[in-house]
Formats: sequence, structure tokens, C-alpha cells
Amino acid sequence: EAQVTQNPRYLITVTGKKLTVTCSQNMNHEYMSWYRQDPGLGLRQIYYSMNVEVTDKGDVPEGYKVSRKEKRNFPLILESPSPNQTSLYFCASSLYGGGTEAFFGQGTRLTVV
Amino acid sequence: GESVGLHLPTLSVQEGDNSIINCAYSNSASDYFIWYKQESGKGPQFIIDIRSNMDKRQGQRVTVLLNKTVKHLSLQIAATQPGDSAVYFCAENMRGAAGNKLTFGGGTRVLVKP
Repeated sequence: EAQVTQNPRYLITVTGKKLTVTCSQNMNHEYMSWYRQDPGLGLRQIYYSMNVEVTDKGDVPEGYKVSRKEKRNFPLILESPSPNQTSLYFCASSLYGGGTEAFFGQGTRLTVV
Repeated sequence: GESVGLHLPTLSVQEGDNSIINCAYSNSASDYFIWYKQESGKGPQFIIDIRSNMDKRQGQRVTVLLNKTVKHLSLQIAATQPGDSAVYFCAENMRGAAGNKLTFGGGTRVLVKP
């Protein structure tokens, strides 16, 4: 089954404690991206990757890092989380990039206290 | 399930009626547009897309209309069913030197009344 898998689904952490949200896809897609979703703001892109070792900033990259060492995985790293990073996070992948036929993960609800 | 928007515009539709969801986009250089459906507790799910050189595209029970003159996009759902209750997002894609960039709208909640 084609899918994008994120872990964990829920996470509560404290300010400043480094964390990583993993994302893995089994469709051999080249393009992967991370979004955050906040009430009334829709989805905003954090980072994206067009292929292995190729990453670039989206609209709201501050406070986040990503890596793309292999095609299937695209982890999101928060080196020093802050309360304003409390949000619902989605990873997505697609074959050609952009939004057509993009597959989204189930989401990670992060709370930073 | 997860709340995706506390202040989303809401469209209430009687089961069996047609739904029309509207979206205004901002960038005339966007090369295609996409509609997503997001059910409670799930990630967005691709519904249909339309290229900027088209005015209309039909899928199964859904039709997307694009009016580039006024930068307006709409999604029509025929014979709305309870399973259509969800939040619907439009998104515009712009191709740039660094690749594709998606910009999402704020979403519309559709509630189907039995």
C-alpha cells in the first residue's frame, strides 16, 4: 500500500529539548516536503526536498532543519523547540513535485510547553 | 479528531444536494491548482487538479472550474454524501528555479446534513 508514515503521531515536549519527527514514503518519490497546519492559516510549507541531498526552505523554515540522506526518508528536526512551534505537522511526497497526486502522512501533533 | 481550523468558513449542505466550494488565489503565474480534502484526524487527500490553461476539469462526482480573469477557483461536488463532510483546501502551484512551490488557502468546512 502506498503511504507516507510519520512518527510519532503525538508528542509533548519541553522548550529547548531537541526532537526529530520522522517521515518515510514507500513510493520512490523524489519530492518530499514538510508543512505545519495552524488554525485559520491552512498549511504552510516549512522545507522541501527535490531529491537526495537537495533541500530548500519553504515559507516558514525558522527553527527547523531537515535532511535527505536517502530517498525514502525526510526527517524534520527541531534543535531547540519553542512554544510557537506547537502545531500539527504533515509530511508529503509526490513523484513530480508540487501538489499533484501528493500523498500526505497522518500528521504529528506537537505540543511544546 | 484534530481540529484543523477554529474559524473556518462553513458550508452546510443537505445530503443529495450539490456543493460548491470557492477559493480565491493570489498569483497569476501559478501553473496549476489543486483541491484537497481533509477529514478529521487525517492528512489532506488529493481530489483533483487543473492546469492553468484549462477552464474546467471533471472527475468522479467532482468538477473544478478555473476563472483566471478574477483568480477564482471552485470545486463542485455532485450529490453530496455524508462521507463528503470534511475540510476542503485549494492550493496553487508555482514552478520556480528551486522547484515547485505550493501555497494553500485557509480551507472551507463542509457539513453534510442527513
